[in-house]
Amino acid sequence: GQSLEQPSEVTAVEGAIVQINCTYQTSGFYGLSWYQQHDGGAPTFLSYNGLDGLEETGRFSSFLSRSDSYGYLLLQELQMKDSASYFCAVRTGTASKLTFGTGTRLQVTL
Amino acid sequence: EAQVTQNPRYLITVTGKKLTVTCSQNMNHEYMSWYRQDPGLGLRQIYYSMNVEVTDKGDVPEGYKVSRKEKRNFPLILESPSPNQTSLYFCASSSLAGRNEQFFGPGTRLTVL
Repeated sequence: GQSLEQPSEVTAVEGAIVQINCTYQTSGFYGLSWYQQHDGGAPTFLSYNGLDGLEETGRFSSFLSRSDSYGYLLLQELQMKDSASYFCAVRTGTASKLTFGTGTRLQVTL
Repeated sequence: EAQVTQNPRYLITVTGKKLTVTCSQNMNHEYMSWYRQDPGLGLRQIYYSMNVEVTDKGDVPEGYKVSRKEKRNFPLILESPSPNQTSLYFCASSSLAGRNEQFFGPGTRLTVL
């Protein structure tokens, strides 16, 4: 089966940088994605890594190391609106199954 | 506006009473999927569909059925709901090439008494 591990909670101050790690164990691997979910809202796509390395999208970056079965989401210049839950997700199997981690709740404080 | 819609948004029902949650997308996406979200468990995939008449099980398919008769619609059917199916349900869609970027509906909060 598939399993993903990420920290349950992270707290950081406004303007800081925070890194949310994700380690995975899967049978077959077709890429690591990150989603953001605000309380009461639906998940929204943030970033995707299919190959090793860093992908940057504005204040958000995501990194993947397939040899280490590890990735992270880096959020820079934190803003209060970044307070949300962040999920890593892997595509596995026939490349159409998507397995999510249990989520990391990020709280940004003043 | 490109969107995924779900109905109903909230539903309270009783054990054993069949129900259907509808999902529709207007982006001409081939791929559609259903997830349930429970506290501490994240999102778990129930079923997915790669195209019309093509469906497959996700990680937690027991107690659920789906159908994909039209490209835009992907209803979730609970033929005999039980209290352990009380959850928040999300439908999502994407193109086949863009399955890593899924667009989620607003969610359906289901309570089974």
